[in-house]
Amino acid sequence: AQSVTQLDSQVPVFEEAPVELRCNYSSSVSVYLFWYVQYPNQGLQLLLKYLSGSTLVKGINGFEAEFNKSQTSFHLRKPSVHISDTAEYFCAVAYSWGKLQFGAGTQVVVTP
Amino acid sequence: DAGVTQSPTHLIKTRGQHVTLRCSPISGHKSVSWYQQVLGQGPQFIFQYYEKEERGRGNFPDRFSARQFPNYSSELNVNALLLGDSALYLCASSLQGEGNTIYFGEGSWLTVV
Repeated sequence: AQSVTQLDSQVPVFEEAPVELRCNYSSSVSVYLFWYVQYPNQGLQLLLKYLSGSTLVKGINGFEAEFNKSQTSFHLRKPSVHISDTAEYFCAVAYSWGKLQFGAGTQVVVTP
Repeated sequence: DAGVTQSPTHLIKTRGQHVTLRCSPISGHKSVSWYQQVLGQGPQFIFQYYEKEERGRGNFPDRFSARQFPNYSSELNVNALLLGDSALYLCASSLQGEGNTIYFGEGSWLTVV
């Protein structure tokens, strides 16, 4: 069965420190990979996506992610976080068009 | 331009009742999908519709149904509500084609009591 695993349920981080959120997926076929962010009581906002090409993907708000096919990973990073980055982050895989499979989410809590 | 809009934003229903949730996609988007997000979990795929036809269905019971209208808006219907149906229901829309960004609405919060 296909799966998406976010290895950390919660990541506490100090303001201006770097953060990495880990995501692994299982697939024997090519997939499209996404990171979404969800602020409290809101819907999902796309941070970035990997479709093909360069394995390093730049997104909005200073986030980037690296696709590693051999390790089936798609980890999200930001070199310096702000208080406003406090949110839930979801890794998602599209095994077929229009259908996303999400991980359980990682709650990022940024403190001063 | 308006994003994906959903209504109602919040509602409370009693066990056994029926609920209808509505979604209007981004202008020009013909694909609409529905997701259920239970508190503390990631969204789970329920349905995808494209050009008024069901193109995908997740692992949900037959109590869940949906349809898409000629203007590409969509309804999600849930019959015989259970307490476990309490969740945020997200609607998403996209253009046709693999890899196109899927845009989400703010969701409809359903509480079943």
